[in-house]
Amino acid sequence: EVQLLESGGGLVQPGGSLRLSCVTSRLSLSTYDMSWVRQAPGKGLEWVSAFRGTGGSTYYADSVKGRFTISTDISTNTLYLQMNSLRAEDTAVYYCAKAWSSGWNYLDYWGQGTLVTVSS
Amino acid sequence: EIVMTQSPATLSVSPGERATLSCRASQSVNSDLAWYQQTPGQTPRLLIYGASTRATGIPARFSGSGSGTEFTLTISSLQSEDFAVYYCQQYNNWPLTFGGGTKVEIK
Repeated sequence: EVQLLESGGGLVQPGGSLRLSCVTSRLSLSTYDMSWVRQAPGKGLEWVSAFRGTGGSTYYADSVKGRFTISTDISTNTLYLQMNSLRAEDTAVYYCAKAWSSGWNYLDYWGQGTLVTVSS
Repeated sequence: EIVMTQSPATLSVSPGERATLSCRASQSVNSDLAWYQQTPGQTPRLLIYGASTRATGIPARFSGSGSGTEFTLTISSLQSEDFAVYYCQQYNNWPLTFGGGTKVEIK
């Protein structure tokens, strides 16, 4: 079965940076689209970014565009989210999630999430 | 951006009763609509995709319907494990967008 394991969360000051990682098993990042989805404390789900397995296109929510960068390392089966210029409103649990297939972006596997707290 | 609006925000239902949840898209998403369930402290779980197809392992009491801009998730007879928050999500266009969620609570 597909497994997704996020890491890299923590406490960071406003304006700081973090890099989240999602190590995947039993799936090829060159085949499937992958997304980052976040959930602020007590709030709903917010899609953040996606990486298209086929072609490598990237997509971002307006709220993070220009600050966050999604990428993959095929050799280590790892999905990344580089987060710069962090704001208090970026505080959330960040999930990585696998899409059913490239181009069909409903999310059938989710990681357990990693908590990012932006505070001084 | 396609805005997804769910109603009601909270639904109080007795065990064994039927629950009907709504999701509306600000423009047509055809049938590119998924539903997820999230119980407290857990990660979201895919229930329905293609507006009406149950994901693997999802009980038959869950059903989805609709197309275009109006969608419904129906839980035919609520079990204790079904009390949770439900989200719809469109995948017709980038950016992907989720609805705000409907909390199904015990009446």
